[in-house]
Parts: sequence; C-alpha cells; structure tokens
Amino acid sequence: ETGVTQTPRHLVMGMTNKKSLKCEQHLGHNAMYWYKQSAKKPLELMFVYNFKEQTENNSVPSRFSPECPNSSHLFLHLHTLQPEDSALYLCASSQELVGNGYTFGSGTRLTVV
Amino acid sequence: AQTVTQSQPEMSVQEAETVTLSCTYDTSESNYYLFWYKQPPSRQMILVIRQEAYKQQNATENRFSVNFQKAAKSFSLKISDSQLGDTAMYFCAFMTLSGNTPLVFGKGTRLSVIA
Repeated sequence: ETGVTQTPRHLVMGMTNKKSLKCEQHLGHNAMYWYKQSAKKPLELMFVYNFKEQTENNSVPSRFSPECPNSSHLFLHLHTLQPEDSALYLCASSQELVGNGYTFGSGTRLTVV
Repeated sequence: AQTVTQSQPEMSVQEAETVTLSCTYDTSESNYYLFWYKQPPSRQMILVIRQEAYKQQNATENRFSVNFQKAAKSFSLKISDSQLGDTAMYFCAFMTLSGNTPLVFGKGTRLSVIA
C-alpha cells in the first residue's frame, strides 16, 4: 500500500474513553503532521514531527498526546475528550519540513459523545 | 503570522465552463510557496497545483492554472472545462521557506459542478 493511511476511518468515543488514532506513510518522508479540521474553520495544525522529534505543538490541550515511534508511524492518543473535540483529524507527511507540499491521509472522523 | 483568506465559501459552475476561486494571503516574507488542495467527499486532501513565489510564471497543471499576483498577495485558481469530478472543497495554503513554518490553510471554498 502506498501513500498515507489513517485508521480508524470513523471513531465514536465517550468522554471518559481512551483511544488512539494511527497514521502510517510508505513514502519515505521524514516529517509528519496532525491537523484538526472542524466545520467552517481553517485546518488547524496540532503537531509536527521531523525525524521522529516533535518540532511543534500548537498549544494543543494535554488530552491529545502524540507519539512518533519512527519516521513512518504517527499516533494521536486521546483521553477525556470534550464534545468540541469532534472533528476530522488529518495526518500528513512531507519529504522535508519545508517541503513541496504535503501528502494527506483520508482522515479519522471523530465523534465525542 | 501568516494568514490565508478565501472569501467565497461556496461556488457553483456548469459542466464544461470555467470557474475562478479566489485566495489572498498576508505575509512579510519574500520567499514562500502557495498551494491549492482539493478535498473531495472521500476526504483525502489532494495537491492540485503549486507555485513558488520567486517564479513570475503562473503554474499550470492540465485544466488547472493560477493567477499569482505577488504585489497584491493574490493567488486565484482557474478551473477550465469543469467536470463533475471537480466537485469538492478547495483549500488555498501557504508555506514560508524560512523558519520551517508548516502549511497554513484558508477556510476553503465548496465548489459544485452542475451537469
């Protein structure tokens, strides 16, 4: 499989649950990103990883915890979320931090109930 | 901080016609990249076209072309011979070449191509 793959595609979780989103890229890219896409808002950058090191945390609440065990995998661990966290979470990767555009996955549609 | 503004939340166009989507941005940088991404109902963001700010020539990719006006900080997307498969959200995005600033997106324009 090529490109950026995100699982699960849909996720419904209660506010007390703990769940994880997974992102995997097979493009040999060294930078990976989490974005949050809410209705009628610009995409919000959450986290940036470059060569497995976190280089940006865009004031994201601690109930979102990223993990990047290697350059091909990125996780977003979720716990005690709020209903306003319901959104589409998009993962992307690029060859360099200042790259020629990003390659995106199809996202995880998260609903917090 | 860089900002990207797309002033048209929704647009529609007849099949085979031409449509132009607007984008303006604000930056103090002189070197940067601009992008248009398409997000169909499948949700995956797909890169449509890319423009380097130091290039005066407007980028073109098949039916897609841009009108890049650096002084005006304007970056519009023209879609010629619109097809039903062009129905999607279109996002304008900006990236600087300094400071390792990640992509900044506009709010998007929902384009509907009508048969």
